[in-house]
Amino acid sequence: SQQGEEDPQALSIQEGENATMNCSYKTSINNLQWYRQNSGRGLVHLILIRSNEREKHSGRLRVTLDTSKKSSSLLITASRAADTASYFCATGFNAGGTSYGKLTFGQGTILTVHP
Amino acid sequence: NAGVTQTPKFRVLKTGQSMTLLCAQDMNHEYMYWYRQDPGMGLRLIHYSVGEGTTAKGEVPDGYNVSRLKKQNFLLGLESAAPSQTSVYFCASSSGWGTEAFFGQGTRLTVV
Repeated sequence: SQQGEEDPQALSIQEGENATMNCSYKTSINNLQWYRQNSGRGLVHLILIRSNEREKHSGRLRVTLDTSKKSSSLLITASRAADTASYFCATGFNAGGTSYGKLTFGQGTILTVHP
Repeated sequence: NAGVTQTPKFRVLKTGQSMTLLCAQDMNHEYMYWYRQDPGMGLRLIHYSVGEGTTAKGEVPDGYNVSRLKKQNFLLGLESAAPSQTSVYFCASSSGWGTEAFFGQGTRLTVV
């Protein structure tokens, strides 16, 4: 089964509104990343947060990480129609052990921003 | 700078045929990954490599083999294609543990 699970599966909002997506994972991690995928394209990296960080910002993006709850959230503020895409969280594993180097993705949240 | 290049971009196979998907990166990255993406399933890790000459199984390795003979290339092989392997395949690479991954544009494979 996949490590990360995003919630909600789909989100539809109006331009200017904020969009919040959540990611839950199952095992201990060292870092969590968020990616974006436009329809029919490859994934593009948005932001990385390490397990010893609680919050990180990049432009209109804000990511939080709660390792005690094994969850992360991605907030996109003042959304635009161009933000319409699928968003995925990805978890990276501890160095050492059989999972060394693994990078696994969740099922994604489809975000639609209406003009 | 080309980044990550996947070859081919589209392919139709008949059941039982074999093929190799090529992933090439020009960023001198150590880590490379193969994923498949199916509707509603997100990206599932097939195999990955943490360096030249090394490979490891991901979440869904059955029916696939890989090789990393050169650092810049990661090959994904299907020995006997099945309709269940119809999917979009993505290759990715990263400079190491805990760093961002760069993705290719995908290969759309249909097995009939």
